[in-house]
Amino acid sequence: GEDVEQSLFLSVREGDSSVINCTYTDSSSTYLYWYKQEPGAGLQLLTYIFSNMDMKQDQRLTVLLNKKDKHLSLRIADTQTGDSAIYFCAAYGGSQGNLIFGKGTKLSVKP
Amino acid sequence: SAVISQKPSRDICQRGTSLTIQCQVDSQVTMMFWYRQQPGQSLTLIATANQGSEATYESGFVIDKFPISRPNLTFSTLTVSNMSPEDSSIYLCSVVAPDGYTFGSGTRLTVV
Repeated sequence: GEDVEQSLFLSVREGDSSVINCTYTDSSSTYLYWYKQEPGAGLQLLTYIFSNMDMKQDQRLTVLLNKKDKHLSLRIADTQTGDSAIYFCAAYGGSQGNLIFGKGTKLSVKP
Repeated sequence: SAVISQKPSRDICQRGTSLTIQCQVDSQVTMMFWYRQQPGQSLTLIATANQGSEATYESGFVIDKFPISRPNLTFSTLTVSNMSPEDSSIYLCSVVAPDGYTFGSGTRLTVV
């Protein structure tokens, strides 16, 4: 089955760019998602990319997909302290049509 | 996109008791998922709630422990039965919306 891996921590300075990386195993995953979870809150859908795309940009967010390497990244430009959260990568590919999640990357933004 | 109202947002429960979590969606959806997020961990699918039939459970989760109801296309409940401290987690419902999978705000359960 699908397996999704992420690095666990990332620390950046305010104003810098953040890049969060993710790898997945199932090349047939059609959709790949990025979610944000703030402390004590649910999951907020940030963006997603379809497998026939290489890149998607949405304001400060850029998603890059390398299908050959099964690698997905989320770049946050001009990172702010309000971006501090846990970011989850998820792939469509569960046996019930559900998402498979990575363990999450905790992003810390220092002023 | 679909908006989900999930209740309660948090609860502290005694071991041995049960808690029912509700999710109400503002539109009709076919698939509704229930996930568990143990402390510091990722999300794990418990089951898919099906309208008009029994829920489909993932390996490691059983109906006696996590009974699910889906009376219509906008509502579902998950019950955590005979709770132990190991059940302390965040429980989230999710639906498939046109712009992706939407999640409820979660129920933070602490069992003491």
